[in-house]
Amino acid sequence: SQTIHQWPATLVQPVGSPLSLECTVEGTSNPNLYWYRQAAGRGLQLLFYSVGIGQISSEVPQNLSASRPQDRQFILSSKKLLLSDSGFYLCAWSVARMGNYGYTFGSGTRLTVV
Amino acid sequence: AQTVTQSQPEMSVQEAETVTLSCTYDTSESDYYLFWYKQPPSRQMILVIRQEAYKQQNATENRFSVNFQKAAKSFSLKISDSQLGDAAMYFCAYRSYFDNYGQNFVFGPGTRLSVLP
Repeated sequence: SQTIHQWPATLVQPVGSPLSLECTVEGTSNPNLYWYRQAAGRGLQLLFYSVGIGQISSEVPQNLSASRPQDRQFILSSKKLLLSDSGFYLCAWSVARMGNYGYTFGSGTRLTVV
Repeated sequence: AQTVTQSQPEMSVQEAETVTLSCTYDTSESDYYLFWYKQPPSRQMILVIRQEAYKQQNATENRFSVNFQKAAKSFSLKISDSQLGDAAMYFCAYRSYFDNYGQNFVFGPGTRLSVLP
């Protein structure tokens, strides 16, 4: 069966520090991968998605970046965090041709920038 | 662009009772998919139920069912025999039939459901 792992679960980082969040999927190949952010009291905002290794599409201009170095690995990064980067970050995957499938989400990372 | 509205920011239900969460959406498309996701305090989003717009029959998953009214662009979620574990934030979501890569998932703002013992 397919599983998705996301870590760390919580992170407190000072302003201006770098960020690296990692997400891996097991039990499937060539998944679509996504990074979402959920700000407090707000809905989900798609940050990046990837349909293959090295293929990254950005939905929102910001100081975050994403990379997909391997088929089932998706990394969210920042060189210098801002206070506004605080939030709950969710990684998700879906089958390559989604059809009526939805996402399967990871357990999320709570990021607090201080 | 499509939008999803959940007009009830918070709701509560007594344990073992039935509750209905509302969702409306705006689209000019005729083929699409609708979803309800649950986000419990553990924060992991879980797919509860999905509906294809071309199916007239309402989807059902155990105690969860939907009332899909395509003409009214309404997609409500009914939870029967509510349990304490149903307490969570519930998100309604829309995806176009032609959105093969999932980059155009549209989520509503969510409804926080409390279950009272």
